[in-house]
Amino acid sequence: AQSVTQPDIHITVSEGASLELRCNYSYGATPYLFWYVQSPGQGLQLLLKYFSGDTLVQGIKGFEAEFKRSQSSFNLRKPSVHWSDAAEYFCAVSPGGYNKLIFGAGTRLAVHP
Amino acid sequence: DARVTQTPRHKVTEMGQEVTMRCQPILGHNTVFWYRQTMMQGLELLAYFRNRAPLDDSGMPKDRFSAEMPDATLATLKIQPSEPRDSAVYFCASGTTNTGELFFGEGSRLTVL
Repeated sequence: AQSVTQPDIHITVSEGASLELRCNYSYGATPYLFWYVQSPGQGLQLLLKYFSGDTLVQGIKGFEAEFKRSQSSFNLRKPSVHWSDAAEYFCAVSPGGYNKLIFGAGTRLAVHP
Repeated sequence: DARVTQTPRHKVTEMGQEVTMRCQPILGHNTVFWYRQTMMQGLELLAYFRNRAPLDDSGMPKDRFSAEMPDATLATLKIQPSEPRDSAVYFCASGTTNTGELFFGEGSRLTVL
């Protein structure tokens, strides 16, 4: 069965520091991969997605993610974190497309001033 | 600015009462999903539709939950009778199969006393 693992439940970084959130997936073929962000009391907003092609994808708000097939990973990065980035981040996989998303448990990011 | 609209945003009810949540997907989207979010289980897929046809509702407790799309502009999720364990945030999301991504509403927070 397809699954998504986000090993870090909570991460705290200082404002201006770099950030990497980890995501590993389990799927037989190359799935569609996504990162979503959820602010408190809000719905989920798409940060970026990977379908095929260049394995380094750029998203909104200065985020990027790199697909590594050999590691079944799709880690999210940002070179310099802003206080407004504090939120919960979800990695998701869509096996075979059709929009059906399977989500990881999420990583809650706190940003210290 | 196209968005998924969910009503009600908040609902407090007593155990045994019927609850209906409504969703207006983005115009032109042909897939609609219902997700439930809780602290313990994270984001769970309850049901989804493509071109208004139900494709999968295996994530739903069949005895009390039902999901329908009476027309292309309305999706409903009904719980009858409601139980305290149904307390959660219910998200509706819509998308198109050719892009693979989902757009989420702001959610309906349900509290069953």
